[in-house]
Amino acid sequence: GESVGLHLPTLSVQEGDNSIINCAYSNSASDYFIWYKQESGKGPQFIIDIRSNMDKRQGQRVTVLLNKTVKHLSLQIAATQPGDSAVYFCAENMMNYGGATNKLIFGTGTLLAVQP
Amino acid sequence: EAQVTQNPRYLITVTGKKLTVTCSQNMNHEYMSWYRQDPGLGLRQIYYSMNVEVTDKGDVPEGYKVSRKEKRNFPLILESPSPNQTSLYFCASSLSGVQETQYFGPGTRLLVL
Repeated sequence: GESVGLHLPTLSVQEGDNSIINCAYSNSASDYFIWYKQESGKGPQFIIDIRSNMDKRQGQRVTVLLNKTVKHLSLQIAATQPGDSAVYFCAENMMNYGGATNKLIFGTGTLLAVQP
Repeated sequence: EAQVTQNPRYLITVTGKKLTVTCSQNMNHEYMSWYRQDPGLGLRQIYYSMNVEVTDKGDVPEGYKVSRKEKRNFPLILESPSPNQTSLYFCASSLSGVQETQYFGPGTRLLVL
């Protein structure tokens, strides 16, 4: 498969444990955030999003937490499975003085390795 | 099946030889975008298009061109490729913008010698 990063931060968890992946974003005015999952050899896949007027949003086995005070985003995966092994990226929708732009700024990613 | 397709998937070329990477989506999406992915840098946006004949620069547009003559297609053109354009390229589309779910293509691995 394709290698998307040679020196990615890596989180190694046991199957069945909960995983927490963290992301620091850059623009305090950003109002929309997304988590993507990228499996080896594939393009990124949308997982969950959150707007800045929320602190928490839950999906199926995933929860995103947003702390605007410290510009921090986290993705929690419950009962991690081998199929969750992938690189996870956060992304923010850049804002400017005119409001939301049509640009996304991506983080550099975290490799989640699930041990059976 | 709803999808974004890219061609070619792999390409080796030489400096200065013009090339085009095609991108096509079958979801009637208005928004399309190109990204490049490099180790340690994540994905960076090259160009995007809000609709037919409407394109705009992303964060790293230098050395690239795009066109949007039809809604479904958004080709990426490298008029004179250089080695620093060696990268993994992704096309993506969404219904109307970045605050809608973006669907990514499978990627094009480009090596410029």
